[in-house]
Amino acid sequence: QAVVTQEPSLTVSPGGTVTLTCGSSTGAVTSGHYPYWFQQKPGQAPRTLIYDTSNKHSWTPARFSGSLLGGKAALTLSGAQPEDEADYYCFLSYPGARFVFGTGTKVTVL
Amino acid sequence: EVQLVESGGGLVQPGGSLRLSCADSVFTFSTNNMNWVRQAPGKGLEWLSYINSDSSTIYYAESVKGRFTISRDNAKNSLYLQMNSLRDEDTAVYYCARGHSSSWFAFWGQGTLVTVSS
Repeated sequence: QAVVTQEPSLTVSPGGTVTLTCGSSTGAVTSGHYPYWFQQKPGQAPRTLIYDTSNKHSWTPARFSGSLLGGKAALTLSGAQPEDEADYYCFLSYPGARFVFGTGTKVTVL
Repeated sequence: EVQLVESGGGLVQPGGSLRLSCADSVFTFSTNNMNWVRQAPGKGLEWLSYINSDSSTIYYAESVKGRFTISRDNAKNSLYLQMNSLRDEDTAVYYCARGHSSSWFAFWGQGTLVTVSS
């Protein structure tokens, strides 16, 4: 089973920019992995921010953007707000109907 | 407002069975794909199963294949997860998620807790 790796934790200053990454044990992440990004706050269900690498839902704040960066999927938060403090998970699709969530990144806004 | 409500969670002994339900409030349920995802206490998200709109395509994670069965009743706007041969490690909050357009996980329920313990 593929392992999808994220930074365990990241800290960003209010108003600052931070980039989370999502790597695959099988090699470079591409658009063919259809990367997703989710935000989860304590005690809440996940919320989907990004799908298919860079597509946003209507509720996704403009300060979040998705991309591919250096062989990984990336979620960039520009202009961090206190309410962005949360856990973030990526999700990748693999051939043979294999689907894997990333290990998660805890983002602190401080 | 889109609303997904899971039910059916609870305490079950190892080796037991449980059936989870997910009721969808929108009339377009029958046109959307659905997923089950779980989260063990203090742990990350784990994808479990996918079913497309007409139940013709179903996928399972290896960890639950042969033990869990996903199904849906479009006339009742409901998704199900039949869980058999439950193990301690199946203890988790179970979420259903509904797709929209090309997004598999547009909307999420609030989850239902399943505890497997003797």
